[in-house]
Amino acid sequence: KQEVTQIPAALSVPEGENLVLNCSFTDSAIYNLQWFRQDPGKGLTSLLLIQSSQREQTSGRLNASLDKSSGRSTLYIAASQPGDSATYLCAVRRSTSYDKVIFGPGTSLSVIP
Amino acid sequence: GAVVSQHPSWVICKSGTSVKIECRSLDFQATTMFWYRQFPKQSLMLMATSNEGSKATYEQGVEKDKFLINHASLTLSTLTVTSAHPEDSSFYICSASAHRNTEAFFGQGTRLTVV
Repeated sequence: KQEVTQIPAALSVPEGENLVLNCSFTDSAIYNLQWFRQDPGKGLTSLLLIQSSQREQTSGRLNASLDKSSGRSTLYIAASQPGDSATYLCAVRRSTSYDKVIFGPGTSLSVIP
Repeated sequence: GAVVSQHPSWVICKSGTSVKIECRSLDFQATTMFWYRQFPKQSLMLMATSNEGSKATYEQGVEKDKFLINHASLTLSTLTVTSAHPEDSSFYICSASAHRNTEAFFGQGTRLTVV
């Protein structure tokens, strides 16, 4: 069974800091891993998608890495801004078991002005 | 990216009635759709996997008779919450992908409130 965990559960940082969010998964049989952002009461915004054959993806101030063999991914946010405050979710798409997309519990980020 | 449209975005219904939520892939054919449920301050929990033309596969603990899923075409899946009760109030979100190993795109979600 695929289990996805995220550390830390919550994070509060001053504006301008660089930060790292961590995601771990137990089964390395995945097609891809995706990072999402969710604002309170809203749907999901896709941030980055990393295919299983890739090591990292970058978009603006965001950089996500994937180490499939160790079952880990990190999301690096550079020069954080108050607008980055949200819950960040990672999700893995399994390459077995109906190709399910399984979510982690999320990291709640608060960037203080 | 591809677009997945979910309708309605919010609904309020009386206890005991049924509610249908639609999930459409607008610019691609979705062989697989997933339905999730999210309680306040929690992550998304997979309810079921829907494959076009076949019965949905439900996750353990999800009542298939209460949450009816139909994937009648390659662009439409529906989730019907039957005989809804206040404890069914939640945020429901669907996801669709064209192929098993491609990106899954998500709808905007439906907030269901049962009164």
